[in-house]
Amino acid sequence: SYVLTQPPSVSVAPGKTARITCGGNNIGSKSVHWYQQKPGQAPVLVIYYDSDRPSGIPERFSGSNSGNTATLTISRVEAGDEADYYCQVWDSSSDPYVVFGGGTKLTVL
Amino acid sequence: EVQLVESGGGLVQPGGSLRLSCAASGFTFSSYWMSWVRQAPGKGLEWVANIKQDGSEKYYVDSVKGRFTISRDNAKNSLYLQMNSLRAEDTAVYYCARELGIAAAGPFDYWGQGTLVTVSS
Repeated sequence: SYVLTQPPSVSVAPGKTARITCGGNNIGSKSVHWYQQKPGQAPVLVIYYDSDRPSGIPERFSGSNSGNTATLTISRVEAGDEADYYCQVWDSSSDPYVVFGGGTKLTVL
Repeated sequence: EVQLVESGGGLVQPGGSLRLSCAASGFTFSSYWMSWVRQAPGKGLEWVANIKQDGSEKYYVDSVKGRFTISRDNAKNSLYLQMNSLRAEDTAVYYCARELGIAAAGPFDYWGQGTLVTVSS
């Protein structure tokens, strides 16, 4: 099965830039989606198809994907961005063919 | 406004059964693939199953094959998950989620609030 690897935690000071990585074999050839989940809440889609933002998601959220690493970048981090973030891909050759990363806890210092 | 509302969770003994429901509103339910995604306490997200718009294709994660059945009733705008032979490791919050786009493999653009399933004696 296809494996997505995320760092368990990332810490950043308010106003700085946070980068959360998602590693996978040749992930650059796949479409990566990112979700934000706050405690006790359902996940929210924040980036889809590598770099598109759903309506209502601030421009501070951006994404990139190349080679073996996809990255979610959050600029000018705010206290309200503190959450768990998950990357996700579809891989038709994998079983299961929907794969989530293990998640990254973003802490705003 | 798109809404997905799950129900049917609860406490069940190992080996028991439970049927989850997801009531959809605010969009044309019959036009979308739908999925169930679960999250064990303190753990990450795990996709469980999905179903095509007309119910003709269904896919499952290995760990639930032969025990869980996903289905839908487009006339009632509802998604279901029949869970049999439940195990302790099935304990999780179960979310229903809509897949963006007509074809499978889109992102999950809307999620319900989740329903908790606890498998314990």
